[in-house]
Amino acid sequence: EPEVTQTPSHQVTQMGQEVILRCVPISNHLYFYWYRQILGQKVEFLVSFYNNEISEKSEIFDDQFSVERPDGSNFTLKIRSTKLEDSAMYFCASSPHYGYTFGSGTRLTVV
Amino acid sequence: DQQVKQNSPSLSVQEGRISILNCDYTNSMFDYFLWYKKYPAEGPTFLISISSIKDKNEDGRFTVFLNKSAKHLSLHIVPSQPGDSAVYFCAATTNNNAGNMLTFGGGTRLMVKP
Repeated sequence: EPEVTQTPSHQVTQMGQEVILRCVPISNHLYFYWYRQILGQKVEFLVSFYNNEISEKSEIFDDQFSVERPDGSNFTLKIRSTKLEDSAMYFCASSPHYGYTFGSGTRLTVV
Repeated sequence: DQQVKQNSPSLSVQEGRISILNCDYTNSMFDYFLWYKKYPAEGPTFLISISSIKDKNEDGRFTVFLNKSAKHLSLHIVPSQPGDSAVYFCAATTNNNAGNMLTFGGGTRLMVKP
């Protein structure tokens, strides 16, 4: 069964450092997403991406965040200058339209 | 702004019995609803969905009921199995959102005891 792959599974970074989280969506999917879940809290929408541009973003997705689909297969989330409160599980997802498939997540720990 | 709420953080059920997980929403623009299951260290896995034009959708042991007037949906699992033990999230979206952003509830941890 096709799956969404995320790397790394766990990333530890120092506050203020840039971090890039990587995702390989399912190849024939058209929509790509990033969500995050802070420990003990809800899964929260960050951004959706369609046709090589952001289609929607939440208020969490401020200027410190950016997304890219650099080569037609990878989909990345960059956090420019990490803060302690960015520590969370970050989930990538893709969909043909409805029916998201989520990756297993990257646990980001900012120290 | 909790547009989707799951008021029960946990639920414990005996194997073979019915599990009923509840979800309430406030945004009347939502017209498509989904249930996801999540195991530790994994991403959410899609279980079942329902469009607002229906009031029931069934898939094997899983049935989702939607009461639009009450802005309430529920997931029934029958019979419950120990492997169903996980966190269950309901989510909602609007049909005309091309990005199909999902708004999630806070989750309910289901424990099915053998």
